[in-house]
Amino acid sequence: KQEVTQIPAALSVPEGENLVLNCSFTDSAIYNLQWFRQDPGKGLTSLLLIQSSQREQTSGRLNASLDKSSGRSTLYIAASQPGDSATYLCAVRSNFGNEKLTFGTGTRLTIIP
Amino acid sequence: EPEVTQTPSHQVTQMGQEVILRCVPISNHLYFYWYRQILGQKVEFLVSFYNNEISEKSEIFDDQFSVERPDGSNFTLKIRSTKLEDSAMYFCASRVPGQVYDGYTFGSGTRLTVV
Repeated sequence: KQEVTQIPAALSVPEGENLVLNCSFTDSAIYNLQWFRQDPGKGLTSLLLIQSSQREQTSGRLNASLDKSSGRSTLYIAASQPGDSATYLCAVRSNFGNEKLTFGTGTRLTIIP
Repeated sequence: EPEVTQTPSHQVTQMGQEVILRCVPISNHLYFYWYRQILGQKVEFLVSFYNNEISEKSEIFDDQFSVERPDGSNFTLKIRSTKLEDSAMYFCASRVPGQVYDGYTFGSGTRLTVV
């Protein structure tokens, strides 16, 4: 059974700093991994999708990496802004034939102005 | 940018009542899903739906739950007799396979409160 863990559970950093959020998963037989952002009481906004054959994906100030063999992914946020404050979730989709996403518990990020 | 639309955004219901949560997936998507998130807990998979039938369901998705795609646009989740522990945020999602982007698009959720 796939288990997804995110560390740390909460993180506070001053505005302008670069930061890294971590995601680990127990079963390396994944199809893809998706990072989401969730604002309090709101829905899930997709940030980046990494296929199992890829090593990283970039979108603006965000960069996600994937090391499938070690069961890890990181989300790097450059030059953080107060608007980046949210909970960040990673979700893993196992290999073809098993469509569901398995989510981590998230990292609650606070950017201090 | 295409969106998944969910209504209502918030629903309060009495224990034992039936509720229907509604979703309009992205028009060219073929796979549809329901997930839920109990306050403070992980987002959990409930059910996937493809070609007018359930393709996978979790152990949470018992006989009190059902899904339906009554027309070409809506996708609904029905809870027959709500319990207090059904209080959660319910998310609808859709996906189209075979595209460059094969990820999920989620709606903004329906917060269900059972009293």
